[in-house]
Amino acid sequence: EAGVAQSPRYKIIEKRQSVAFWCNPISGHATLYWYQQILGQGPKLLIQFQNNGVVDDSQLPKDRFSAERLKGVDSTLKIQPAKLEDSAVYLCASSWTGTSGSNEQFFGPGTRLTVL
Amino acid sequence: QQPVQSPQAVILREGEDAVINCSSSKALYSVHWYRQKHGEAPVFLMILLKGGEQKGHDKISASFNEKKQQSSLYLTASQLSYSGTYFCGTDSSQGGKLIFGQGTELSVKP
Repeated sequence: EAGVAQSPRYKIIEKRQSVAFWCNPISGHATLYWYQQILGQGPKLLIQFQNNGVVDDSQLPKDRFSAERLKGVDSTLKIQPAKLEDSAVYLCASSWTGTSGSNEQFFGPGTRLTVL
Repeated sequence: QQPVQSPQAVILREGEDAVINCSSSKALYSVHWYRQKHGEAPVFLMILLKGGEQKGHDKISASFNEKKQQSSLYLTASQLSYSGTYFCGTDSSQGGKLIFGQGTELSVKP
């Protein structure tokens, strides 16, 4: 079974530039998550999708971050414009949505973003 | 609120045991445990659901005290491969939204 795919793996940009990350979840997983992990910290949820609808985006800085999952499969996270403090690893995860509502999340390899 | 993990770091010799604790100030529906090696993605270890039993596989097990909103991860007879940072993720909404702790760095030495 293929895992969660993410690209690019690394990205270096200058502040005020734009950047986009792509994620393809495990086939059949209806729930998709984007996390931001700053060095030395735990992952922080930015946005959660159920199919192509947003379940939670309370911690997404909406003035500069946006995300979409138009066809309920792959997803794109964008930052425009980037700030120095956005330097982090951006992790995508997916899970099968079962009756318990809380299922194992499978993480992709992440995109390491450096903002100069 | 972010759950609090303790200890922040621990160093073990192969074969020794360790306990990592995760404490929340909110009522929890589930607790998830993950291990992350340097430069890699977090890898799922186990989920403990409210009303569920203590979980375990091989030499790694965990418990969930619903009254205290605490979970503990037990690693017995540690192996070199156990090295990494352990995170607990707590779900209070039953919707899969996890809030992760700050992590516990575990180092197993030969």
